[in-house]
Amino acid sequence: SAVISQKPSRDICQRGTSLTIQCQVDSQVTMMFWYRQQPGQSLTLIATANQGSEATYESGFVIDKFPISRPNLTFSTLTVSNMSPEDSSIYLCSVEGDRDGNEKLFFGSGTQLSVL
Amino acid sequence: KQEVTQIPAALSVPEGENLVLNCSFTDSAIYNLQWFRQDPGKGLTSLLLIQSSQREQTSGRLNASLDKSSGRSTLYIAASQPGDSATYLCAVSDTNAGKSTFGDGTTLTVKP
Repeated sequence: SAVISQKPSRDICQRGTSLTIQCQVDSQVTMMFWYRQQPGQSLTLIATANQGSEATYESGFVIDKFPISRPNLTFSTLTVSNMSPEDSSIYLCSVEGDRDGNEKLFFGSGTQLSVL
Repeated sequence: KQEVTQIPAALSVPEGENLVLNCSFTDSAIYNLQWFRQDPGKGLTSLLLIQSSQREQTSGRLNASLDKSSGRSTLYIAASQPGDSATYLCAVSDTNAGKSTFGDGTTLTVKP
C-alpha cells in the first residue's frame, strides 16, 4: 500500500491567518487529492493536484482560498488562507494506487484544524 | 451528480454478532466502489475495493458485495469484535481518475 505522511496532525489557528498542510508519498503518483471533512460530515473533494500543472478545483472551492502546490510526483501542499471558524475541519490528502498497481485510495492521517 | 447514502447512520451490537452495513448510489455507471474504516480524529483505512465488473470481495471477516444495476453495496462483518468499533464509509468512483463520492458513514459500536 502507499504510505502517506501528512503534517501537521493538528493545529489551532487564529482567524485571518493561513496554514499550509504538507503531504509526502512514498512513491511517485500522477494525481494527489485533497479532501475536507467538516465536523460530523463525510468527505468532500477540494481539488485534484497534478504535477506540473495547476490544480483542478471542485465546485465551491477556489484557488485564492485553497492554493495548492505540486512541485514533484511525491509531494503536495494545501494552504487554507484567511481562515475563519467555518474552516475548522479535518483536511486529508489522498492518492490512488501504489507500486503494486492497486487502485485503492490511500489517505494520510489527516490534519485536524481548529480556527478560533 | 452521484449521491451516496449509507444506512443506518449508527449501529450498536453485542460482541460476536454478524452485521450488515448498507450503501446505495444513484448513478450505476461506476468504475469502482471502496469501503473504508475511520477511527475518531484519524484518516481513512481502505478495507475492500470492488471493481464495477466484480460482484464481491472478501478479506478476513469482511465481505463486500456490489449490485451495480440496483445501485447497492453491502459490507458484511462476521463475528464482530469491540475493535471493529469505528465509522465505516463507502465511496464510489465514476472514473479511473480517483475522484470519489463518499457516503456519510455508519458509526458502529460493538459492545463487549
